[in-house]
Amino acid sequence: NAGVTQTPKFQVLKTGQSMTLQCAQDMNHNSMYWYRQDPGMGLRLIYYSASEGTTDKGEVPNGYNVSRLNKREFSLRLESAAPSQTSVYFCASSEYVGRDTQYFGPGTRLTVL
Amino acid sequence: GENVEQHPSTLSVQEGDSAVIKCTYSDSASNYFPWYKQELGKGPQLIIDIRSNVGEKKDQRIAVTLNKTAKHFSLHITETQPEDSAVYFCAARKANFGNEKLTFGTGTRLTIIP
Repeated sequence: NAGVTQTPKFQVLKTGQSMTLQCAQDMNHNSMYWYRQDPGMGLRLIYYSASEGTTDKGEVPNGYNVSRLNKREFSLRLESAAPSQTSVYFCASSEYVGRDTQYFGPGTRLTVL
Repeated sequence: GENVEQHPSTLSVQEGDSAVIKCTYSDSASNYFPWYKQELGKGPQLIIDIRSNVGEKKDQRIAVTLNKTAKHFSLHITETQPEDSAVYFCAARKANFGNEKLTFGTGTRLTIIP
């Protein structure tokens, strides 16, 4: 039981490049989330998926797209990376949105030059 | 929307002493308050949570207190140990009626001095 896994762990991009961050959970959770963590700003919600087939914007969605591929997988895509997207990205899951504990993955450290 | 403020941003405590981290929230409808611990290079992990129908909850060396009137809640760690060194985040969420999501504080970096 791996919990929430994320790939890659580290990534360096040049401005304008695109990439997809992958997330998978094996806890049979319905809801999944993408956060970014920046110094002094805590965790900010980018997008979430309340259930398979649905996605909704969070607090800071601009510049990102998401895909809920199936119940296990939720990916985050940067179409044209910008230096302002340099951050640590965390994926999380919970049984349902608004239902108690969120379980976090180990994070992806992204640098955009 | 909800706004959660967390203080202090950094805290150094001698091993064996107690540490207290405080958070305030803005939305009186919030009723669920979890605390997450993030160790270096890892994702945040839930360590304790409290709901608005109780004023205090303990789990071994950690405890959380909630003052609904003042809209603040605190994390207390007693008999601190080196493994308590981490970044701690508080969060708040409104009643579980549907798609309510967590709002996180900005984090406290706790350092335990041996």
